[in-house]
Amino acid sequence: QVHLKESGPGLVKPSETLSLSCTVSGGSISNYYWTWIRQPAGKGLEWIGRISSSGSINNNPSLMSRVTLSVDTSKNEFSLRLRSVTAADTAIYYCARISSTSPHMDVWGQGTTVTVSS
Amino acid sequence: NFLLTQPHSVSESPGKTVTISCTGSGGSIATNFVQWYQQRPGSAPTAVIVEDDQRPSGVPDRFSASVDRSSNSASLTISGLKTEDEADYYCQSFDSSNWVFGGGTKLTVL
Repeated sequence: QVHLKESGPGLVKPSETLSLSCTVSGGSISNYYWTWIRQPAGKGLEWIGRISSSGSINNNPSLMSRVTLSVDTSKNEFSLRLRSVTAADTAIYYCARISSTSPHMDVWGQGTTVTVSS
Repeated sequence: NFLLTQPHSVSESPGKTVTISCTGSGGSIATNFVQWYQQRPGSAPTAVIVEDDQRPSGVPDRFSASVDRSSNSASLTISGLKTEDEADYYCQSFDSSNWVFGGGTKLTVL
């Protein structure tokens, strides 16, 4: 079955760029949409954006100016870059696959905690 | 902006039935599908209802859901509550191409 795993620094300094990757194993990244969601500690889920395997992108308008999503089909991975981070960007970051048959996230990574602090 | 509002918490006893609401504002909740996700402590969310009222494979039929156009709300109902149902539940829908989550409801089974 398909597994997703997030990777990247767990600590980022304020004003710098948060960079995460999500590696897809057990299946192909092709022909799916992939998404990033984050969750501050003790709070709810926030959708960050989605990218298709062909590079079509939709972002959360509230984050759009700071977010870059990319996909590398040769590595079977997709990535998130969030610029100019502040403490408010401290959260668990999840990557997930969007089902091809109905609009929901059907496979999730375990999540990775990113803390923004100097 | 389309927003989804959920009660902060609900509680019920094992074996009973509980309903969690998700009220839309800034748009019609009936325009797009509503999904429901369960998130147990320390784990990623998993979908328990998709496309308004469909259960993904493996989700027990104790979970059901509906959408009410008149109240612009969706509801998740869990019957025969088990202690394992204790979790946070999130509704999710769409605002144009954007994915929108409700704030989440903490279900306590006591």
